[in-house]
Amino acid sequence: KQEVTQIPAALSVPEGENLVLNCSFTDSAIYNLQWFRQDPGKGLTSLLLIQSSQREQTSGRLNASLDKSSGRSTLYIAASQPGDSATYLCAVPGTSYGKLTFGQGTILTVHP
Amino acid sequence: EAGVAQSPRYKIIEKRQSVAFWCNPISGHATLYWYQQILGQGPKLLIQFQNNGVVDDSQLPKDRFSAERLKGVDSTLKIQPAKLEDSAVYLCASSPNRGSVKTQYFGPGTRLLVL
Repeated sequence: KQEVTQIPAALSVPEGENLVLNCSFTDSAIYNLQWFRQDPGKGLTSLLLIQSSQREQTSGRLNASLDKSSGRSTLYIAASQPGDSATYLCAVPGTSYGKLTFGQGTILTVHP
Repeated sequence: EAGVAQSPRYKIIEKRQSVAFWCNPISGHATLYWYQQILGQGPKLLIQFQNNGVVDDSQLPKDRFSAERLKGVDSTLKIQPAKLEDSAVYLCASSPNRGSVKTQYFGPGTRLLVL
């Protein structure tokens, strides 16, 4: 059974800092890995999707890396802003059918 | 393109009552998912539909939860009777096809509080 763990559970940083969120998974036979953002009272927004054959994906100030062999992914946020404050979730599909297993999330607070 | 729509956004009921949630996926999306997200946890899949057929309902508490997707479009999730531990956000998501290479698009969720 796939298990996904995220560290840290919460993170508070001053504006402008670069930061790293960590995600680990127990079964390395994954098709891809996704990072989502969740704002309070809202649904999830997909940030980045890394295919199993890729090592990293970039979108603006966000960079996600994937190391299947070690069962790890990191989300790097450069020059953090207060608008980045949200919960960040990573998820992997258990089969090709798309069922996602999520980590518990990292609550990020960026203060001015 | 309109996103995934869900209603109601909030619901408060007493235990042992019944409740129903509605989801309208993005037009043309064949796959629809219902997730349960308990406070402080990541979402957990309850049921997955491919068109109007069930692909995975292994984590659906079938003694109290039911779901249907008539005509392969809208879907309804029902809880009867509700328990205190059912308090959570219920998220609906859809994706264009069955494969995992396509991302899932999530609705805003329905926040349920069972008293």
